[in-house]
Amino acid sequence: DQQVKQNSPSLSVQEGRISILNCDYTNSMFDYFLWYKKYPAEGPTFLISISSIKDKNEDGRFTVFLNKSAKHLSLHIVPSQPGDSAVYFCAASARQSSGDKLTFGTGTRLAVRP
Amino acid sequence: NAGVTQTPKFRILKIGQSMTLQCTQDMNHNYMYWYRQDPGMGLKLIYYSVGAGITDKGEVPNGYNVSRSTTEDFPLRLELAAPSQTSVYFCASSYLAGNQPQHFGDGTRLSIL
Repeated sequence: DQQVKQNSPSLSVQEGRISILNCDYTNSMFDYFLWYKKYPAEGPTFLISISSIKDKNEDGRFTVFLNKSAKHLSLHIVPSQPGDSAVYFCAASARQSSGDKLTFGTGTRLAVRP
Repeated sequence: NAGVTQTPKFRILKIGQSMTLQCTQDMNHNYMYWYRQDPGMGLKLIYYSVGAGITDKGEVPNGYNVSRSTTEDFPLRLELAAPSQTSVYFCASSYLAGNQPQHFGDGTRLSIL
């Protein structure tokens, strides 16, 4: 039972354009969502997060949007840069019931073309 | 500032052998975690710890054991290696529960042949 889904295994975007990565979840108890970025042979690196009390969080070129009614979140990267090429994982936790345990999606591989 | 350090980076085991994957963090984090990542899949939680002396099972604990004798170290033990345990293993830590992201090590790539 995949509670966090990233239905696009890959995405290719031209440098300077917007990258939009999507994530859907099924567990209505999730109240904290994170995006991690992963380069080959390295561990995931925290990128940005959002609490369920918000619908948007912005950090520089990265913005995460949360639509609770649709159980959907997205990560926008604008403008995209070649260094953004990596695998992006969406993760969620139900802090009230499960503490800090994260449930991860399967990842989306982003390629930014120069 | 080393963060989360995992050793070894690579290892090949024969079926039935045992080994310990080491994980240490120097950030004085209370919470530590072990995940495995299989090809094309997300990370799945094996075990976690909320502090020294306290451990609990995650989603996929079978075939593994952990201990947490100090705040810094959280080793993962495979007693009887099986081909299904071929994976990349990640250790992570966080300061507290709540709005604190987990920090990951660079992983141990383990092959069981």
